[in-house]
Amino acid sequence: NAGVTQTPKFQVLKTGQSMTLQCAQDMNHEYMSWYRQDPGMGLRLIHYSVGAGITDQGEVPNGYNVSRSTTEDFPLRLLSAAPSQTSVYFCASSYRTPSSSYNSPLHFGNGTRLTVT
Amino acid sequence: GQQLNQSPQSMFIQEGEDVSMNCTSSSIFNTWLWYKQEPGEGPVLLIALYKAGELTSNGRLTAQFGITRKDSFLNISASIPSDVGIYFCAGLSVGTYKYIFGTGTRLKVLA
Repeated sequence: NAGVTQTPKFQVLKTGQSMTLQCAQDMNHEYMSWYRQDPGMGLRLIHYSVGAGITDQGEVPNGYNVSRSTTEDFPLRLLSAAPSQTSVYFCASSYRTPSSSYNSPLHFGNGTRLTVT
Repeated sequence: GQQLNQSPQSMFIQEGEDVSMNCTSSSIFNTWLWYKQEPGEGPVLLIALYKAGELTSNGRLTAQFGITRKDSFLNISASIPSDVGIYFCAGLSVGTYKYIFGTGTRLKVLA
C-alpha cells in the first residue's frame, strides 16, 4: 500500500516554464488537495477536489490549475512558473463518507521541492 | 487567507521535560488534527479530535479539543530526542471541505 505518491521529488524551473506536479493515491480516497509550505507560513491550501470531475479553489490558487479525471490522480499544473512559486508542495488525501460531514484525517505525500529561478 | 494561531513558534527543551503547544481560531471547528513533520518528509498524523471537550492520548502525547471549539492543545510528556520536528495543528470548519493549518511549532530537544 503506497499511500500518497508525489513525483518528482525535486524540480528546478526557469521563470515562464510550465510543468505538472503529479499526485496519486491508492486508498480510494474521494478528497484530494494540494498545499504549499513556505517558511513561517505553515501549509496553505491551493486547490482541492471532493471527487472525480469536481475541483475548487483554496486560499492561494492563483498561478495553479488542477483537474480530477480519476479518483486516484490529482495533478497540479503551473502554466508559467514564477520565483514566488518556489516552495515545497504537498498533496494530501482523505476519505469522506457521502452521507455525513465526517472527514477522515489527511494523508500526505512526501512533497515536491520546486525552485523557480 | 484564514490561518490558525499556533504557539509557541519554537521551543528548545531539555530531554525529559514536558512540552505544551496550542492553537486558536476565530472560527468554530468540528475537527482538530495534530501532525508532526520531520525534515524532508510530509506531515504525519499524531492525533485526531472530533468532539468538543474530547481528550485523546497517543503514547506520551495528549491532545484536547477545546470546549469553545475554537482551540486545541497538544502536550508531550517526558520528551526524548526523537520528538524533534515541526508540529502542526489543523482544523476543519463546519460545513467546509478545507483543512486549515497552523504555522507550526518547531521543537528541539537537548540531550
